[in-house]
Amino acid sequence: NAGVTQTPKFQVLKTGQSMTLQCAQDMNHEYMSWYRQDPGMGLRLIHYSVGAGITDQGEVPNGYNVSRSTTEDFPLRLLSAAPSQTSVYFCASSRTDRGGNTEAFFGQGTRLTVV
Amino acid sequence: AQTVTQSQPEMSVQEAETVTLSCTYDTSESDYYLFWYKQPPSRQMILVIRQEAYKQQNATENRFSVNFQKAAKSFSLKISDSQLGDAAMYFCAYRSAWNTGNQFYFGTGTSLTVIP
Repeated sequence: NAGVTQTPKFQVLKTGQSMTLQCAQDMNHEYMSWYRQDPGMGLRLIHYSVGAGITDQGEVPNGYNVSRSTTEDFPLRLLSAAPSQTSVYFCASSRTDRGGNTEAFFGQGTRLTVV
Repeated sequence: AQTVTQSQPEMSVQEAETVTLSCTYDTSESDYYLFWYKQPPSRQMILVIRQEAYKQQNATENRFSVNFQKAAKSFSLKISDSQLGDAAMYFCAYRSAWNTGNQFYFGTGTSLTVIP
């Protein structure tokens, strides 16, 4: 069971370039999310999805797009990279039941540098 | 939106000693979940412990325990018999039991150093 798989682990972009961060989960979780982690600011929610075909904005959505065509995949697209998007990005998935396993499961993160 | 506050950016503890990390949160909801996640230098987010707000009993996981004070909206993590492998960034997180987006709200983290 792979859990949440995120690629790539590291990426350097030039300002203005676009790219897609990939995220896949094999736990059949309804919910998937993207966070960015910046020093002193914890993890902040970028976008999230409650199921295939349904996405919504989080706290810091500007400059990012998402789609959810399948339950398993939730890619994050940077449309035109800016230095302010230099960060560590985490994909997470979670379930909705009220029993055990209410936590978020995280990918290994992507360290993105925009120069 | 709910807010989660970790007022200790850095903490240190001697190996084998006990340390407590603080977390407070702000919510108007009565049913929710609280979590502590550990992030070692590998960057992987690892669940340490979870607490359901409707349970009065404090959660424990081996050397890790919490002090959950619902009225005070406080959720501290106690690490007993600290080990070198406990050195990491620790994040407190909140999740509503009811919101349709299943969003998690994180504090800013506490960096724990374990001194040999």
